[in-house]
Amino acid sequence: DTGVSQDPRHKITKRGQNVTFRCDPISEHNRLYWYRQTLGQGPEFLTYFQNEAQLEKSRLLSDRFSAERPKGSFSTLEIQRTEQGDSAMYLCASSRQAEQFFGPGTRLTVL
Amino acid sequence: DAKTTQPPSMDCAEGRAANLPCNHSTISGNEYVYWYRQIHSQGPQYIIHGLKNNETNEMASLIITEDRKSSTLILPHATLRDTAVYYCIVNTNAGKSTFGDGTTLTVKP
Repeated sequence: DTGVSQDPRHKITKRGQNVTFRCDPISEHNRLYWYRQTLGQGPEFLTYFQNEAQLEKSRLLSDRFSAERPKGSFSTLEIQRTEQGDSAMYLCASSRQAEQFFGPGTRLTVL
Repeated sequence: DAKTTQPPSMDCAEGRAANLPCNHSTISGNEYVYWYRQIHSQGPQYIIHGLKNNETNEMASLIITEDRKSSTLILPHATLRDTAVYYCIVNTNAGKSTFGDGTTLTVKP
């Protein structure tokens, strides 16, 4: 068990470009979560999967954001037409029961 | 999810107990109290959770008041490596976690 992994760890992009992040959860964890965190703030919930089904999506999430978990294992988070306000740490977590296990995050910088 | 209130910052001397309070006066009967911490530049780390009974594990103890409207996380012998942001969350056993801004605990030598 190597924990939750995220790739890439850092991403710098220009405004208007699309970016995609990957999350590999802990094996056999059926729940997977995406959060966004800006400096000095706590993580903000984005979306949540149980197996391959996306069960909840934040109302604050722009239509430019989409997430998938096609086979109930790894997940991808795509941001289209990035904006400077999208600059943040994107965190993935997985769980089988109550407690969530977080990955190291992907830090996105939009220039 | 019920909202939580935590002090923005606390200091603790190394080797002493750190007692971190959390108010959750609107907690529902089926909501648990969870604590996570986040060390700089890392993802949050689960510490402990409970429903109404006090809980203890190798990291910390969780004391929940009888009316469940508040709780205290206790780190019995704080070390410099316990310096982190500590988040108190109330949640059912599934779904998202709503993080506030947490308490920044600074352990001083």
